[in-house]
Parts: sequence; structure tokens; C-alpha cells
Amino acid sequence: TQLLEQSPQFLSIQEGENLTVYCNSSSVFSSLQWYRQEPGEGPVLLVTVVTGGEVKKLKRLTFQFGDARKDSSLHITAAQPGDTGLYLCAGPSGGYQKVTFGTGTKLQVIP
Amino acid sequence: NAGVTQTPKFRVLKTGQSMTLLCAQDMNHEYMYWYRQDPGMGLRLIHYSVGEGTTAKGEVPDGYNVSRLKKQNFLLGLESAAPSQTSVYFCASSYLLGDGSEQYFGPGTRLTVT
Repeated sequence: TQLLEQSPQFLSIQEGENLTVYCNSSSVFSSLQWYRQEPGEGPVLLVTVVTGGEVKKLKRLTFQFGDARKDSSLHITAAQPGDTGLYLCAGPSGGYQKVTFGTGTKLQVIP
Repeated sequence: NAGVTQTPKFRVLKTGQSMTLLCAQDMNHEYMYWYRQDPGMGLRLIHYSVGEGTTAKGEVPDGYNVSRLKKQNFLLGLESAAPSQTSVYFCASSYLLGDGSEQYFGPGTRLTVT
């Protein structure tokens, strides 16, 4: 089983600050995804990165896939309370029939 | 479209009782998944299905059974509930298989086993 480790596990910041969340593995992934989960709801897909070195932007969120395709990062600029939630990275496993999820980063943005 | 729905939203069981969680999707997706989510452990795959009438074991299948008699429904059964099965259970579906495909999740079922 390919493992995905996320750091930090918890993050509490003030509104307006910047932050970076990391997703690391010892295995190579053909693609990685980032999901956001708000309290009491299921995860929702934010982005999929498929090429080593790829950078994707979604408003104030910037996603990067590592050159070796073993890691990814999520950078949030000027965090807002609406960014509060659990951020999960995920990658294909088991012959692409399944998805392995990371351990998650719980973000709290304080107004 | 309702997307992915789960029934019930909350349930409390006593040790040894059985129950079935129902997942339904109206997106005509072939692939469906059951996960459990515990604090600090992300989402762990219990069972999954790549089509009507087929099921397969995931990462943590012990103590659970599943059935996919209709394409739109995926049932998760607990035969004899144990306190270790206290968790939040999520169902998901996807149009394509794993690599890069988006999974659509239901709102979850919070299960407590006492």
C-alpha cells in the first residue's frame, strides 16, 4: 500500500496569513489530488495534478506536484475563515481501482 | 440531482447488534466506495465496487460486508457491531477508475457502538 503523509496535522492561523500544507510519500504517484472537507460534510475535490513540477492555481490556493511525483504542496495566500476545514491529499493505488488518502491537515482560520 | 446520499445520518448501536448503511447515487457512476474516517487517520477504504454485482475488499474490510445488487445502490453491513467500529462512514462514487478521477462523497453516517 502506498502511504501519503501530510504535515502539519493541525494548523491554526489568523485571517490574512499565508500557509503551506505538505503531502509526502516514498512512492511515485501518477497523479495526486487535493480534497477539502468541511465539518459535517464529505470531502470535495479541489484539484488534480498529473505532471511532475506542475503548478495549478485556484484563486488564492496554489498546488504544486513535485518533480519526482512523490510529493505535493498546497499554499494558501491571505487565508480567510471560509478556508477552514480538513485538507486531504489522495493518489491512485491498487492498479488504479482505488484511491489512497493522506492523514489530513486540519486548518482553522481565526477571524 | 441529489448526488450521493447516505442513510441514516446518525446511529447508536449496542455491541453485537447488526445494521445496514445505505448509499445511493443518481449520477450513473460505475464505481462506488465505502470509507471510514477516524481522527488522525484520514479516510480508509473498507470495500469497493467496480460495477453492479461486483465487490472487492479494501484496506480495512474485517467485520463488514457489502452488496451492489443495483448500480445506483451500495450497501454496507455490520454483522456484529464492536466499539472499534465507532466511526464516521462515507460513501463515494466515481465515473472513472482511480487515476485522476473525481470521487463524489455523501454527507456521512456517524455511528457509535456502545
